[in-house]
Amino acid sequence: DTEVTQTPKHLVMGMTNKKSLKCEQHMGHRAMYWYKQKAKKPPELMFVYSYEKLSINESVPSRFSPECPNSSLLNLHLHALQPEDSALYLCASSQEPWANVLTFGAGSRLTVL
Amino acid sequence: GNSVTQMEGPVTLSEEAFLTINCTYTATGYPSLFWYVQYPGEGLQLLLKATKADDKGSNKGFEATYRKETTSFHLEKGSVQVSDSAVYFCALTGYNNDMRFGAGTRLTVKP
Repeated sequence: DTEVTQTPKHLVMGMTNKKSLKCEQHMGHRAMYWYKQKAKKPPELMFVYSYEKLSINESVPSRFSPECPNSSLLNLHLHALQPEDSALYLCASSQEPWANVLTFGAGSRLTVL
Repeated sequence: GNSVTQMEGPVTLSEEAFLTINCTYTATGYPSLFWYVQYPGEGLQLLLKATKADDKGSNKGFEATYRKETTSFHLEKGSVQVSDSAVYFCALTGYNNDMRFGAGTRLTVKP
């Protein structure tokens, strides 16, 4: 298995909803990442987990809450989002935190109404 | 901090034309350099990489050479196909392994 799987592919939520994005990989990678990509823009790093511990938080608002329950799973919990949070959320993984080739998932497209 | 600058495009070429997408970088130390490709509705796929000066990355007919003296990593392909239509991102990773992307260049190849 050489894939990063993200669910759901599409999510529409209101500003008062609580939802979660899920990311899964079974390649034995020990680093996992969340990126946010707005339309026609490059991906922007949000969070990095190394060996299931949060190692980088790029000053992301607290309405985004990451969680790494085990080495194969990465969640992004969403609460009280704003319409400007609408974007494609990309998960990625790498073999080791210092092995800098990232494998990306197809993304979860989020729309906040 | 580390950053990448690439020509934004869009770039429109005819099939079999020569492609160059310019990328320059600013970084402390010795970054690794990458080109990623994003097809419509999909995530990013690694196209090629180079980890030290003068390395040449190549894949699927695409090439890029890590030029430390000009801090550049330009992407080239001798003969593009319609299936190469996508958005191409230049990227780098520095000492703490956080990947920084350029703005992306949209390529459209017409038959």
